[in-house]
Amino acid sequence: AQKVTQAQTEISVVEKEDVTLDCVYETRDTTYYLFWYKQPPSGELVFLIRRNSFDEQNEISGRYSWNFQKSTSSFNFTITASQVVDSAVYFCALSEFNQAGTALIFGKGTTLSVSS
Amino acid sequence: AAGVIQSPRHLIKEKRETATLKCYPIPRHDTVYWYQQGPGQDPQFLISFYEKMQSDKGSIPDRFSAQQFSDYHSELNMSSLELGDSALYFCASSSRGSGGATDTQYFGPGTRLTVL
Repeated sequence: AQKVTQAQTEISVVEKEDVTLDCVYETRDTTYYLFWYKQPPSGELVFLIRRNSFDEQNEISGRYSWNFQKSTSSFNFTITASQVVDSAVYFCALSEFNQAGTALIFGKGTTLSVSS
Repeated sequence: AAGVIQSPRHLIKEKRETATLKCYPIPRHDTVYWYQQGPGQDPQFLISFYEKMQSDKGSIPDRFSAQQFSDYHSELNMSSLELGDSALYFCASSSRGSGGATDTQYFGPGTRLTVL
């Protein structure tokens, strides 16, 4: 069965601190997709990144970076030099390779609070 | 860039009433998904459609039904509303990638349903 675990329920940091959000997943499939979404206080779900199971390259996008390790079934997200605007709930999600329309399985989310 | 459109954005209903939520996917996206997010919870998959056919089904109550129309927009019909149906309802859309893999799901702003 598929499962996504975000062990950190809430994290509080001060601006300019670096912060890492953990994500551990379970799947029996050899081909799958991992995602991170951001949900700011306004409520929308914003896509941040997608990673395919066969591509273990880490990725950096500005202050955001992602570390994908199949050996530990983890897909962690790091924000460097955090800003108040980063305050949001961050969801890690998993989709198995299947048919079109396959559901996303979300973790419980990590609430990040960045104070000035 | 055009995003997923959902209407209405807010809806207040009484118990036992019916509600219809509408979703207009990103142009040229052929797959639509519906998710329900209760307060403080992660989004839960309800149902999806690919090319106007039901593709995947999650924990959608029998009181709910949905369909995708010829112009690819989708409607979620909810009957005999209960207090527990109060939630944020998201629609997402995607286009089927090469090799048959489902591509990234992009979410609409959500419809906040309140049942009194």
